[in-house]
Amino acid sequence: QITLKESGPTLVKPTQTLTLTCTFSGFSLSTTGEGVGWIRQPPGKALEWLAGIHWNGDKRYSPSLKSRLTIAKDTSKNQVFLTMTDMAPVDTAIYYCAHRPPGFYYLDYWGQGTLVTVSS
Amino acid sequence: QSVLTQPPSVSAAPGQKVTISCSGGSFNIGNNYVSWYQQLPGTAPKLLIYEDNKRPSGILDRFSGSKSGTSATLDITGLQTGDEADYYCGTWDSSLNAGVFGGGSKLTVL
Repeated sequence: QITLKESGPTLVKPTQTLTLTCTFSGFSLSTTGEGVGWIRQPPGKALEWLAGIHWNGDKRYSPSLKSRLTIAKDTSKNQVFLTMTDMAPVDTAIYYCAHRPPGFYYLDYWGQGTLVTVSS
Repeated sequence: QSVLTQPPSVSAAPGQKVTISCSGGSFNIGNNYVSWYQQLPGTAPKLLIYEDNKRPSGILDRFSGSKSGTSATLDITGLQTGDEADYYCGTWDSSLNAGVFGGGSKLTVL
């Protein structure tokens, strides 16, 4: 059974850097084809895909946020990290991580999400 | 502005059928599989449909998906008040090299 859980600060100040951790179980990022993605959702708004990382270290980023994002993994700890620089109030959102199974793209298991508020 | 276009809201009476559309282009829906997600109020999204028309284990056959060209649809039959939620389509965009979602459709069961 696959589970994911996001953790990190709930409040960050404008211009600061946000680092979120996704801790998962039920699969391994050392297994061929496995992947994890990050998605966010501002209050009352739509889902926005941010970044993804695969078992082989391949990384993909949203073109509109690519300059601010870094995704990384620690396979031994079953963790994926997302770093977003230069945070602004518009980045206030619930941040989710999700499991991408091997094969064609979709997200089958999602974490509960963590609300990050950007405010001075 | 989402890459995929969905109607902001849809509604139908209990027991009836509703169709939610998702429109894209050749680099996303036209050449990649579509998935659908249900987001009940205050909860994380849940996978409803993957690879255009497949249901994960535990998803009722009241939910079905289809695709034609650069558009996809989600059909929900036998509507129940518990189906009231936001529904999102998603896929990969081969030009952007990124995942993309629709803007979401809020379903109201009248």
